[in-house]
Amino acid sequence: DVKVTQSSRYLVKRTGEKVFLECVQDMDHENMFWYRQDPGLGLRLIYFSYDVKMKEKGDIPEGYSVSREKKERFSLILESASTNQTSMYLCASSIFGGYSNQPQHFGDGTRLSIL
Amino acid sequence: DQQVKQNSPSLSVQEGRISILNCDYTNSMFDYFLWYKKYPAEGPTFLISISSIKDKNEDGRFTVFLNKSAKHLSLHIVPSQPGDSAVYFCAASEMDSSYKLIFGSGTRLLVRP
Repeated sequence: DVKVTQSSRYLVKRTGEKVFLECVQDMDHENMFWYRQDPGLGLRLIYFSYDVKMKEKGDIPEGYSVSREKKERFSLILESASTNQTSMYLCASSIFGGYSNQPQHFGDGTRLSIL
Repeated sequence: DQQVKQNSPSLSVQEGRISILNCDYTNSMFDYFLWYKKYPAEGPTFLISISSIKDKNEDGRFTVFLNKSAKHLSLHIVPSQPGDSAVYFCAASEMDSSYKLIFGSGTRLLVRP
């Protein structure tokens, strides 16, 4: 079974802090993703990475950056946390399928509160 | 503008009966569709998928139907069980952007014993 592990289940930070959310997958997947989930909005893609040191913006990248120094680890960084970044953050990974679609596998999420 | 819509925020069904969850999409370039199930305090779990070359895919109690002309898909759960109570998300992607899933807002299913 694919295992995607997010380092924290709950996190409380203050406005203006730099926040790091960590994600590790154990299946040697090429693709990794960061989403946020908000009520009534579903899951929205923040950033994704298809290889080490490679990244692409998703639909809502503003206020976030990412880092992928190793294949198994993908970090989401809130450069200067704001209250509107209070949300559930979900990390996912998938195998590179070329032109064959592959499902994404999710971690259990980090509920982040910015005070 | 939401490209994937789940217009029913919630659904309540009696145990043993059929649950039908619906999803509509607007982007005609979508060709791969998935359903995820999410329990509270857990991440979404992949349930079943279908590509646009099919109109039906079954996996045990779960069947997904795709109507391309109507831009509509549905998930049928038969028979429904209390353990199926969860939030269900549909998602879609385009072939040349297979990494990028567009999610609906979710439908909360309650299966009553």
